[in-house]
Amino acid sequence: QSVLTQPPSVSGAPGQRVTISCTGSSSNIGADYDLHWYQQLPGTAPKLLIYNNYNRPSGVPDRFSGSKSGASASLTITGLQAEDEADYYCQSYDSSLNGRVFGGGTKLTVL
Amino acid sequence: QVQLRESGPGLVRPSGTLSLTCAVSGDSISNSYWWNWVRQPPGKGLEWIAEIYHSENTNYNPSLKSRVTISVDKSKNQFSLKLRSVTAADTAVYYCARRSSSWLDYWGQGALVSVS
Repeated sequence: QSVLTQPPSVSGAPGQRVTISCTGSSSNIGADYDLHWYQQLPGTAPKLLIYNNYNRPSGVPDRFSGSKSGASASLTITGLQAEDEADYYCQSYDSSLNGRVFGGGTKLTVL
Repeated sequence: QVQLRESGPGLVRPSGTLSLTCAVSGDSISNSYWWNWVRQPPGKGLEWIAEIYHSENTNYNPSLKSRVTISVDKSKNQFSLKLRSVTAADTAVYYCARRSSSWLDYWGQGALVSVS
């Protein structure tokens, strides 16, 4: 049972828009700790996709965007492409655990 | 370019100790970053294990704290993980990563450790 809750899977057709949610609590996202997103392509290490809620590292396409409100956050991918098929994880800090916490991960399927 | 590379035995006996090392290149382990371990059981999600800063400061996942030790070797620019009393549930790909502020910006390629 992950501290942050994500839907197990989402899907969309090429060119469409999909959103992945990440729900936390008053000891993590709801306590205004920053939320980050990672993309894990099959057989590879996770890669930083969004940091501090909505910032993109250099090289990440602007098709990827993040937002946060209250104890929840979202990752939105527009103009879906086949190469976006991957697992996506949210991550934050939890004050009651005094450590980093991850969501359970969401598998994105491009139809 | 910062690079991290995990190394260690790929097979550990039950009740034994899992030991992994993460070699850091392109950055000094003495710089102002926290150095982390994260694991991923086969087919499952990511689990944060522990982090260390400048040798003296450490944080551990409460669920693993009693079995885990993280340490730094500044002379070799690397950090290490020891997980004691392992069981099959500790079989996973273990990643080392650098934490910049609150996000993990550089990751190793991962090392699969099987307990059997």
